[in-house]
Amino acid sequence: QVQLQESGPGLVKPSQTLSLTCTVSGGSISSGSYYWSWIRQPAGKGLEWIGRIYTSGSTNYNPSLKSRVTISVDTSKNQFSLKLSSVTAADTAVYYCASVGYDGVLDYYYGMDVWGQGTTVTVSS
Amino acid sequence: EIVLTQSPGTLSLSPGERATLSCRASQSVSSSYLAWYQQKPGQAPRLLIYGASSRATGIPDRFSGSGSGTDFTLTISRLEPEDFAVYYCQQYGSSPPRTFGQGTKLEIK
Repeated sequence: QVQLQESGPGLVKPSQTLSLTCTVSGGSISSGSYYWSWIRQPAGKGLEWIGRIYTSGSTNYNPSLKSRVTISVDTSKNQFSLKLSSVTAADTAVYYCASVGYDGVLDYYYGMDVWGQGTTVTVSS
Repeated sequence: EIVLTQSPGTLSLSPGERATLSCRASQSVSSSYLAWYQQKPGQAPRLLIYGASSRATGIPDRFSGSGSGTDFTLTISRLEPEDFAVYYCQQYGSSPPRTFGQGTKLEIK
């Protein structure tokens, strides 16, 4: 069973770039059996999908964040990463990485069946 | 963008009772790519249902999902104490973004 672990700074200054990494263990990020996603949740609020990446490097982003978001994958480290530029206090949230099961033969997506425990990022000077 | 509206916002029930949670989409969800998640305080969400009606691995059979098109339901047949949490639906079949509903809080009456 794949396991995910987020890491990165817990405090980011306004206007700077938020950078987080998700380390995949128990499986290969290159297996082709998953899409790799980022989701965030402000305190006391609901979930917001940020974007996803496939092992091919193909990405999809939330249009509301697209101009500021970059998701990338490092197969040599079995990691994928999130960069969010020009952050403001509105970007303060718990950030989760998650995997979406995918069957390439059936072209069928499963839900986000594995999540990291989440990491809190605060944007403040 | 598909907007998901969950109802009710809060549901107050007692253990042993049946819970019915609704998720309505602003447009049809393709291939019934609708998932349900459970989230407890301080924890990451947990996948319960995918494909509108398929239980994820390890999910008890008291959880069931149904629906298609724009109307979906999560049913918990007999509530256990550990079921009281916040539940989110998510559509993942259309072009991004993969939107979530705003959540239903299931609380002990």
